Amino acid sequence: GENVEQHPSTLSVQEGDSAVIKCTYSDSASNYFPWYKQELGKRPQLIIDIRSNVGEKKDQRIAVTLNKTAKHFSLHITETQPEDSAVYFCAASLPYGNKLVFGAGTILRVKS
Amino acid sequence: EAQVTQNPRYLITVTGKKLTVTCSQNMNHEYMSWYRQDPGLGLRQIYYSMNVEVTDKGDVPEGYKVSRKEKRNFPLILESPSPNQTSLYFCASSFGQGLSYEQYFGPGTRLTVT
Repeated sequence: GENVEQHPSTLSVQEGDSAVIKCTYSDSASNYFPWYKQELGKRPQLIIDIRSNVGEKKDQRIAVTLNKTAKHFSLHITETQPEDSAVYFCAASLPYGNKLVFGAGTILRVKS
Repeated sequence: EAQVTQNPRYLITVTGKKLTVTCSQNMNHEYMSWYRQDPGLGLRQIYYSMNVEVTDKGDVPEGYKVSRKEKRNFPLILESPSPNQTSLYFCASSFGQGLSYEQYFGPGTRLTVT
C-alpha cells in the first residue's frame, strides 16, 4: 500500500522567513496530494492540494510543488506569520482506491 | 451552517465497555471516513464509506466497527475498547465517492480507555 513520509517533524522559523515541508510517497500511481493545517486543539483543514497532472500550484503565500519522477511533493510558505504556527499534514491518494494516507505531520513554529 | 458534528467530544471509559461515537454531516456528502490521530503517527484511516450501506476497511480497522444506514450518519463502534485505542478520533466527509475532494473534518473526540 501507499506510504507517505514527511520531513521535518518540527520546524522553527523567524517571522517573515520561508518554510518548506517535504513529503515522499511510495506508490507512483498516487494522483492527489492535499495539505492540511491543524491549529492547536482544532480540526484539520485543507489549505491547498495538487493533482498529478500539475507540477505547481500557488495560493497567495502558500505553494505546493510536485515531482512525480522523484515521488515527492513540498509545501512552501513565504513571509511566515505567527498565525501560520500549526501542525501541517501532507497526504496522498491512489486513483483506484478510497484511502487517504497521511504523513506523520510537521509542527511549524513561527517566532516573532 | 455546513458542518460535521461528533459526539461525545470527550470520553473516559474502562476496558471492555462498549461505546459508540456518533458522526453526522449536513452537506449531503456521499463519502465519510474515520481517522485516529496519535502523536508521531499522523492521521490513520480506520474505516470509510462511499455511500449508504457501503463500508470498507482503512489501514487500522482492528477493534472497530462502523455502519452507514443513512447518508448523514456514520457511527464508530468499539465493541470492547482496550487501552491501545486511547486516541483522538476524527470523522470526515467529502463530496463525491473519490478522495480528490476536500475532506471536512469534525471537531474530534478524545477517547481515553483505562
